[in-house]
Amino acid sequence: GAVVSQHPSWVICKSGTSVKIECRSLDFQATTMFWYRQFPKQSLMLMATSNEGSKATYEQGVEKDKFLINHASLTLSTLTVTSAHPEDSSFYICSARDLIGTGSGEQYFGPGTRLTVT
Amino acid sequence: DAKTTQPPSMDCAEGRAANLPCNHSTISGNEYVYWYRQIHSQGPQYIIHGLKNNETNEMASLIITEDRKSSTLILPHATLRDTAVYYCIVRVGGGTSYGKLTFGQGTILTVHP
Repeated sequence: GAVVSQHPSWVICKSGTSVKIECRSLDFQATTMFWYRQFPKQSLMLMATSNEGSKATYEQGVEKDKFLINHASLTLSTLTVTSAHPEDSSFYICSARDLIGTGSGEQYFGPGTRLTVT
Repeated sequence: DAKTTQPPSMDCAEGRAANLPCNHSTISGNEYVYWYRQIHSQGPQYIIHGLKNNETNEMASLIITEDRKSSTLILPHATLRDTAVYYCIVRVGGGTSYGKLTFGQGTILTVHP
């Protein structure tokens, strides 16, 4: 149980275009999802917290107009990188909190999406 | 959330126990200790968490000192597949609380044949 999927697993896009990454909780409902970014040989950095049906809360230094987050249902959150630049190339990872199933409030992570902007 | 300190790297022989330490001397009474690991190019995987009592599950054991200022994650019989970065994180709440996970640099555990 507690499986989180991401799609796509990797994507290459041209500079200036937008790319959407999906995060789904497959066997539980998640009122809260989190989006992280990880550059090579660095740790995960939290970008934003996404609550179903409300606006996302962004961490300091993360541009909300560039990284659009939508959490329209209890099992799906999307991250759209708008007007991508090469410096946005990174490993994007989502996680979801299981608050309804076991009630443990644990975060379960997706497998990540490797974004390369050329 | 309290800051944690972990050694940057550790080695372990396959089949032996791996003991990964973590210092969290500024932990508050309502903060839990969580352990996650990240295998290369994958998302982090939850291992175990605890408040003050020692905990054990199918993956590992968590030993928390009585003063809660440090803890040790124990992988009883390490395998090559346990090679990963291990993150010790302290945060508020273990139930419906809201706390965010803040990742430090973690410990790179390398298991040798």
